[in-house]
Amino acid sequence: DQQVKQNSPSLSVQEGRISILNCDYTNSMFDYFLWYKKYPAEGPTFLISISSIKDKNEDGRFTVFLNKSAKHLSLHIVPSQPGDSAVYFCAAEAGGTSYGKLTFGQGTILTVHP
Amino acid sequence: EAGVVQSPRYKIIEKKQPVAFWCNPISGHNTLYWYRQNLGQGPELLIRYENEEAVDDSQLPKDRFSAERLKGVDSTLKIQPAELGDSAVYLCASSLTWSAPAKHVEAFFGQGTRLTVV
Repeated sequence: DQQVKQNSPSLSVQEGRISILNCDYTNSMFDYFLWYKKYPAEGPTFLISISSIKDKNEDGRFTVFLNKSAKHLSLHIVPSQPGDSAVYFCAAEAGGTSYGKLTFGQGTILTVHP
Repeated sequence: EAGVVQSPRYKIIEKKQPVAFWCNPISGHNTLYWYRQNLGQGPELLIRYENEEAVDDSQLPKDRFSAERLKGVDSTLKIQPAELGDSAVYLCASSLTWSAPAKHVEAFFGQGTRLTVV
């Protein structure tokens, strides 16, 4: 039972253009959503997050959008840079005493071409 | 400030052999997690500790996996005996302890141990 899904295994984008990574979830108990970035041979690093009480959170070039009714979130990177090339994981958390119990998607490999 | 430190980085063992992974969390982080990441998948939580107490080990295959955090700091994850399907990256993470009214605590991950069982 995949509660968090990233249906695009990979995405290729030209430098300077927008990258849009998508994520769907099924568990209505999730109330906090995160994006992690992972380079080869490194652990995931936190990128940006959003609480279920919001529909948008922005941090520099990164914006996360949440559509609760559709159980869908997306990560926008504008403008994309070659250094953004990595695997991006969407994760969800039920919060409260379930904190830290992250449910991850399968990941999307982003390649930004110069 | 040092991050989460894991060792070894890589381990190759034959099936049926035992193996152990070690994790040193960020100083002051009372909560420690072990995740397993299979190839092409996202990490999956195996066990979560609050100090030395395992508060969530529902996903830990207890027939062959064990973990300990004796003094509430470093932790060890053990597999005995290892099977071919245990080949994966084992990630350790740590965080501050959650308390209300905080909505979330951020978990910091180590580089992981890549296990190959042959």
